[in-house]
Amino acid sequence: EVQLLESGGGLVQPGGSLRLSCAASGFTFSSHAMSWVRQAPGKGLEWVSSISGSGSGTYYADSLKGRFTISRDNSKNMLYLQMSSLRAEDTAVYYCAKLTEFGSGWCDYWGQGTLVTVSS
Amino acid sequence: EIVLTQSPATLSLSPGERATLSCRASQSVSSYLAWYQQKPGQAPRLLIYDESNRATGIPARFSGSRSGTDFTLTISSLEPEDFAVYYCQQRSNWPLTFGQGTKVEIK
Repeated sequence: EVQLLESGGGLVQPGGSLRLSCAASGFTFSSHAMSWVRQAPGKGLEWVSSISGSGSGTYYADSLKGRFTISRDNSKNMLYLQMSSLRAEDTAVYYCAKLTEFGSGWCDYWGQGTLVTVSS
Repeated sequence: EIVLTQSPATLSLSPGERATLSCRASQSVSSYLAWYQQKPGQAPRLLIYDESNRATGIPARFSGSRSGTDFTLTISSLEPEDFAVYYCQQRSNWPLTFGQGTKVEIK
C-alpha cells in the first residue's frame, strides 16, 4: 500500500525558514517523480515543485522565485521541501504527491498534508 | 504559463442528475490533462488522466473528453459521494498548473 506522510509544518514568522519532509513507502521510491502541491485556506490547489526520480531534474512554480528548494534522499525514501524567506501568502496545507512516472506524470497518490502558517 | 479556466464555479444538482464540468486551456496541452476530486478535509484524488483514462478504482460514471483546448468531465449520474470540488490540471508544459476548481453541490 502506498503511503505518504508529511511532517515539519507549523507556525513560523515572516522571513523565517522551514523544512518539510515526506516519508514514502509501498512503492519503489526512486522510480517515481514526486511533487509538492499546496492549498491556502479556502482556496484551490497550487503546484509548488516537482523532482525526478533520480533527483537530477527539479522544477518550480515561477511565483516562488528561488525561495523554495525540493530534494530527495532515495536511500531513505524521503522527499523534502526547504522553504525560506516565508511570507504570509505561503500559509497553506502542503501536500506531498507521488507521480506516475520517473520524470513526470500525474499525482496518483497524495499524503494528508501538513499545515504551514506564516504569521507574527 | 498555461492557464486553465474551469466553469462553472459552482454546479447545483440533485443525486441522479448528470454533471458536466468544463476546463479550458489557454493553449494546447495535447491530451495532457487530468481531473481530481477533493472532499472537505481530504487530499485530492486522481479521477481521470491523459484526457479520458480513468484512474484505478474510479467508477465508470466518471468520463473525460476533449475538443481542442476544451476539456469536459462528465459524471453520468451523481451519487451522494460525488458532491465535492473538482480540479483540472495540465502537465504539457512546466510549470504545472491547476484550474481554480468547480464545486458540485447538492441542490
